[in-house]
Amino acid sequence: QQQVKQSPQSLIVQKGGISIINCAYENTAFDYFPWYQQFPGKGPALLIAIRPDVSEKKEGRFTISFNKSAKQFSLHIMDSQPGDSATYFCAASMLSGNTGKLIFGQGTTLQVKP
Amino acid sequence: SQTIHQWPATLVQPVGSPLSLECTVEGTSNPNLYWYRQAAGRGLQLLFYSVGIGQISSEVPQNLSASRPQDRQFILSSKKLLLSDSGFYLCAWSVSSGEQFFGPGTRLTVL
Repeated sequence: QQQVKQSPQSLIVQKGGISIINCAYENTAFDYFPWYQQFPGKGPALLIAIRPDVSEKKEGRFTISFNKSAKQFSLHIMDSQPGDSATYFCAASMLSGNTGKLIFGQGTTLQVKP
Repeated sequence: SQTIHQWPATLVQPVGSPLSLECTVEGTSNPNLYWYRQAAGRGLQLLFYSVGIGQISSEVPQNLSASRPQDRQFILSSKKLLLSDSGFYLCAWSVSSGEQFFGPGTRLTVL
């Protein structure tokens, strides 16, 4: 019940296209859902995050869509660029706990072809 | 602004040797601290977390230990490294808002 399932494992998109990565969770106590971007040899960087009181959050070309009833959330990258090629991780957490522990998805390797 | 440091950046160690990786955070007080390991091409495995000085919680049984001797210092150790300890070790910190920030990582190769 603590798992976060992420798909697809890898994704190839043409430059200018839309990249979509999906995540699903089981624990309804999760109330914080971040996405991280990781380039090879670097630590993951927080990209965008959402809480379940909203269904969508947009920051530039990155949008999180959140479906509370389906227990799913997704990352949309509009106008994908070769510089977006990286590994993306979704995660979930319970802010009510004091540990701040994140449960991560398995990761999606995105390649944007020029 | 907050900054997180990890050292060393890379390390090559023989099997059976000890290990000490250090992580320090600047610009924040009483953060939660975390150690993760990432195998090549794989996801993030939480190893330890700490909500305060001297308070360590272990997520998985293994050959490693962690300590938090100061508020903003987190240390990952091993008495005898195994081949399976190779990986990319990441330290992270968070505050109550839930946002968690990662350090640059340490690439450990055990030969």
